[in-house]
Amino acid sequence: NAGVTQTPKFRVLKTGQSMTLLCAQDMNHEYMYWYRQDPGMGLRLIHYSVGEGTTAKGEVPDGYNVSRLKKQNFLLGLESAAPSQTSVYFCASSSSNQPQHFGDGTRLSIL
Amino acid sequence: AQSVTQLDSQVPVFEEAPVELRCNYSSSVSVYLFWYVQYPNQGLQLLLKYLSGSTLVKGINGFEAEFNKSQTSFHLRKPSVHISDTAEYFCAVSDLVDSSYKLIFGSGTRLLVRP
Repeated sequence: NAGVTQTPKFRVLKTGQSMTLLCAQDMNHEYMYWYRQDPGMGLRLIHYSVGEGTTAKGEVPDGYNVSRLKKQNFLLGLESAAPSQTSVYFCASSSSNQPQHFGDGTRLSIL
Repeated sequence: AQSVTQLDSQVPVFEEAPVELRCNYSSSVSVYLFWYVQYPNQGLQLLLKYLSGSTLVKGINGFEAEFNKSQTSFHLRKPSVHISDTAEYFCAVSDLVDSSYKLIFGSGTRLLVRP
């Protein structure tokens, strides 16, 4: 059972570079979410999607963009990476009021 | 706006001792409540959830939590911890009114079980 798969698992970027993080789920979930985790701050919601073709801003959306062209995929983009975006990124998915399932995370360092 | 407070950033405890990890939330509407566990270099795994019904919720690995609406708390308990319970624990709340089912997380409590 794959569940929620995030790629890549690790990445180092230079300031100003761009990249896309991919999240794929095989549970046919309607809802998908991107969080970032920073020490002492728990997880904070960046963007989320309530269905294919729809996205919305979360708590900390600045500097990120997302797309949900297919129901199973949710992409997180950094157009111009900044050191403040160094973090561990988690993707999650769920169906209606059921608990969210999380991927194993992407560790991103911006130099 | 909703918020979740986990007052203890770290809780050290000896093996086989009981433990309670505290969680308080603030919300003006009804909520769903969750506890997740995160082992080193892994994602979050659901421990237990409160959606409705009995206020005492049992989860995996011998953990349980009690929903107290009057005190807006959802404390996590285990009567006897093991070394393998060493991990970070997150309390989270979801607003029933918001149809996006977004989660608001607390800052986490690191449980350190010592032999």
